[in-house]
Amino acid sequence: DTAVSQTPKYLVTQMGNDKSIKCEQNLGHDTMYWYKQDSKKFLKIMFSYNNKELIINETVPNRFSPKSPDKAHLNLHINSLELGDSAVYFCASSHDYYTGELFFGEGSRLTVL
Amino acid sequence: DQQVKQNSPSLSVQEGRISILNCDYTNSMFDYFLWYKKYPAEGPTFLISISSIKDKNEDGRFTVFLNKSAKHLSLHIVPSQPGDSAVYFCAARGGTASKLTFGTGTRLQVTL
Repeated sequence: DTAVSQTPKYLVTQMGNDKSIKCEQNLGHDTMYWYKQDSKKFLKIMFSYNNKELIINETVPNRFSPKSPDKAHLNLHINSLELGDSAVYFCASSHDYYTGELFFGEGSRLTVL
Repeated sequence: DQQVKQNSPSLSVQEGRISILNCDYTNSMFDYFLWYKKYPAEGPTFLISISSIKDKNEDGRFTVFLNKSAKHLSLHIVPSQPGDSAVYFCAARGGTASKLTFGTGTRLQVTL
């Protein structure tokens, strides 16, 4: 039973399209995150939600819009995809806002052609 | 601006020997450090952490050492096992913010 699950795992799309990645956690955690791992292998935080409230919003283009319908879900919608958006996107959760122990999903590899 | 650096992209160690993975940081506000392990096609998994009030934390075969004056931490794995072959990420956090800053990872290969 997967603790943090993301769908889809792979996504290949054309520039200019809009796509979404969904994330669900069944750990009962309060806090959820989106991280991006680019081609240089940097894992960088994009967003964090605590109890459905946005608490971290890094310098991310506003084409990226997270949505947390409830504590267990954090989805990522990307508009007008660009080549530079190609990356692996990881969803994660943690018990609360203070702990550094994150539980990651398997990642969603996005390729923009 | 790379605040957490793992200067060795890869490391090969023989089974049974010690693996030492290194990490340097530049931000003096960091006060909590973690190591994550990542297998291919999986997300990173938490391994061990250390607070800046300590200089050592041990969990089974894994020990993390922190040298605050040098802004350096290391992960020791003794003895190394083939199942330890993975990419290891160092991460750091400052204050109460949950935002983690990750290094670029070191690929450890444990050979038979």
